[in-house]
Order: sequence, then structure tokens, then C-alpha cells
Amino acid sequence: ETGVTQTPRHLVMGMTNKKSLKCEQHLGHNAMYWYKQSAKKPLELMFVYSLEERVENNSVPSRFSPECPNSSHLFLHLHTLQPEDSALYLCASSQEGPFRGAHKNIQYFGAGTRLSVL
Amino acid sequence: GESVGLHLPTLSVQEGDNSIINCAYSNSASDYFIWYKQESGKGPQFIIDIRSNMDKRQGQRVTVLLNKTVKHLSLQIAATQPGDSAVYFCAESDQFYFGTGTSLTVIP
Repeated sequence: ETGVTQTPRHLVMGMTNKKSLKCEQHLGHNAMYWYKQSAKKPLELMFVYSLEERVENNSVPSRFSPECPNSSHLFLHLHTLQPEDSALYLCASSQEGPFRGAHKNIQYFGAGTRLSVL
Repeated sequence: GESVGLHLPTLSVQEGDNSIINCAYSNSASDYFIWYKQESGKGPQFIIDIRSNMDKRQGQRVTVLLNKTVKHLSLQIAATQPGDSAVYFCAESDQFYFGTGTSLTVIP
């Protein structure tokens, strides 16, 4: 157990569906992250939230919409996705946000949501 | 742009042997590095970190070496076990680029 829980673990959706991924951290951390992991590609940072404010948006298409209602919860709302969006979506948290001190940036990852877009 | 990366995408070692996983980085101003391990079906997990004012740091069966002159990191795993089979990533603390990782396979 890493203290970061992602649901669902697996998701299959059509291109016209709307779905949401959920992440919850029980570590008392102040920063949360969404990453996309595709086969044979580096982990891609999507969004960073620090103290519930979005501090990083890595040129992600608008069909991905993050929401951070409080420091423990992070959502990724999905709408009209494409087949190339099929991937493992990972959530992580860290004690502090980016650039706030080295050891406080160690990230704790959830197990991910395996998304398939048909 | 600045990045970290890994030398070899795959590495196979015999159980009981030592493993060495390498990582190169380009930002000479980087002052902190982290190694993560990702097992199948799981997210990356923190293994060990090192600050730029150190050359070496040891953990339980793992050692990280930092050579700032050539901007190179290595992760050494002693007496490699089947449970060490995973993908290993190095990352800089103030960036979020993990590279493609090195996939370590331990042969029983």
C-alpha cells in the first residue's frame, strides 16, 4: 500500500462516453499529479496541483479535464477520447509541490487506471 | 530540452549476481536525483535518492553513484533477486521527466 488509491483499476469506454478517474491520497500531502504511461514511451506528466491550485498543465488536450476539490482528492474527467488515449493513467502525490525542496518532492504513486478507448 | 534518460532499455541478470542500471542527465544544475522501481501492475515506487553534494549513497542492497563530471547516475543492486524484476526510472527532483526506464529481468 502506497497511501494513494486509484479507481477504477480498469476502464473501457467508447469515444463518445464521459467517464472520470478518481485518485485519493491518505498521506497528508499537498501536491497531486496525473501522468500518462503508454507502452514504450516515457511517463508523461499531464497536470500538477499544489494546495488545490493547478500549477502545471503540460499541453494536454481539452478532452482531459482535471479537478482537485481538496488536497486529498484528484479527478480526471474524460470526454470524447480517442483510441490513442488508451494507456495507464497514474496518480501521484508528494509532500510539497514542485520546486519546494528536494526530499519533499518524492512522489508516491497509485497503481493506476488501465484505460482502453474503443 | 533538459532531460534524464537511461542507457539500456533492457537488462537480464542471473539471480544472485549484481545489477547495474545507468542513467544520464543533461541539466548540470540538477541537485537532486531519485530512483523509482515499477513492478508489473503497480505504479513507480521510490527506492533511493541522492543529492548532488554526494557521490554515493547506500541503502539496503542498493547503492546509487553520482558522477557530476559526466552527468551520470547508476543504481547498483547487490545479489539480485527475482523480486527485483521491474522497470527502473531515474528522475530529477524538480522536473517530472522519467525517461523510458530500464527493464530488469532476473533469471532464476
